[in-house]
Amino acid sequence: DIQMTQSPSSLSASVGDRVTITCRASQDINGWLAWYQQKPEKAPKSLIYAASSLQSGVPSRFSGSGSGTDFTLSISSLQPEDFATYYCQQYNGYPYTFGQGTKLEIK
Amino acid sequence: EVQLVESGGGLVRPGGSLKLSCAASGFTFSGSGMHWVRQASGKGLEWVGRIRTKADNYATAYAASVKGRFTISRDDSKNTAYLQMNSLKTEDTAVYYCTERSNWGQGTLVTVSS
Repeated sequence: DIQMTQSPSSLSASVGDRVTITCRASQDINGWLAWYQQKPEKAPKSLIYAASSLQSGVPSRFSGSGSGTDFTLSISSLQPEDFATYYCQQYNGYPYTFGQGTKLEIK
Repeated sequence: EVQLVESGGGLVRPGGSLKLSCAASGFTFSGSGMHWVRQASGKGLEWVGRIRTKADNYATAYAASVKGRFTISRDDSKNTAYLQMNSLKTEDTAVYYCTERSNWGQGTLVTVSS
């Protein structure tokens, strides 16, 4: 199985900050990486697919980048509604594994 | 508007069975692969499995933790995907989501307990 490792596991930041979350795969996943946002007691929401393509309706302050085994999710200017848990997921090979999550909290 | 609505969750005893449904609307269901993902309370997301479209012979794939016990199927005439869960274990307790990866349902809670 492909292992996905996110860092950090948690992050404190302020409104207006720029933050970056990293996701590393245990092998090359050919760019087949998605990012999801999840708020407490809610279903995940798709943000990015194919490493850098923004889902329709997702604010442009979110961006994804990376290739091979190393990927990042960046939020350019944090808004109050962005405080949530973020997950990466590879879909290059079965099983489609998720990272363990990064909890973004208000400082 | 895309909608995915799961149903069928509930309390079941270890060793029992349960069948979840995912009713889809707002997109071309027959042309979309469908996935099931679960989340135990306070834990991360775990991919359960997926079913492809008729064009791909309704091929399925599963996580090792559920393979041989869970079966994913679909009825394109009803715009519905299913997750049949047999030989349930306490560790299968979770909220189960269906998703076509861009959109997610609200989830349905499955509790396996004696």
